[in-house]
Amino acid sequence: EDQVTQSPEALRLQEGESSSLNCSYTVSGLRGLFWYRQDPGKGPEFLFTLYSAGEEKEKERLKATLTKKESFLHITAPKPEDSATYLCAVRGTSGRNTPLVFGKGTRLSVIA
Amino acid sequence: NAGVTQTPKFQVLKTGQSMTLQCAQDMNHNSMYWYRQDPGMGLRLIYYSASEGTTDKGEVPNGYNVSRLNKREFSLRLESAAPSQTSVYFCASSDPSRVNTEAFFGQGTRLTVV
Repeated sequence: EDQVTQSPEALRLQEGESSSLNCSYTVSGLRGLFWYRQDPGKGPEFLFTLYSAGEEKEKERLKATLTKKESFLHITAPKPEDSATYLCAVRGTSGRNTPLVFGKGTRLSVIA
Repeated sequence: NAGVTQTPKFQVLKTGQSMTLQCAQDMNHNSMYWYRQDPGMGLRLIYYSASEGTTDKGEVPNGYNVSRLNKREFSLRLESAAPSQTSVYFCASSDPSRVNTEAFFGQGTRLTVV
């Protein structure tokens, strides 16, 4: 059974204070690890897909990295508008049709 | 380009009432999904449809039925609503045949069962 564990559950940062969010996963045959951002009252918004260990993707102040066991979402010099819940998901097992399995998310608050 | 559209956005039901949540996507995706999101539980898969004409159970299917009406539309039905079905419901779609296989989500339906 595919599983995703995210830590910490909540993170409070001062504006400009860099940090990382962790996503640990167990999956048979990783077919993609996905990061989403979710604002209150909204649906998840896609950020990145990583497919193989060693891969990195960047977007503005966010950088996602992947190893064989976990992924990190690094946030450099965050701003208050980066406050959101960040979700990690994997697609594995039987192939490209397999639904995404999500972690419970990390709730990030960035204080000015 | 609307993406994934869900209706209604909010709904209050009495225990035992039935209703159908509607979802439509205009991205020509083959696969569609229904998730529910509860505090502290994350997104959990209810049902999915890998392609038109097929549906499969997810992690939490009890109390729900689905219909893949055509390639664009995938509905979720609650036959006899229970307070435990109070949740936020998200529909999503993806296309596994493409290079990028991420799922795109609607804005959600917030359902309260009293």
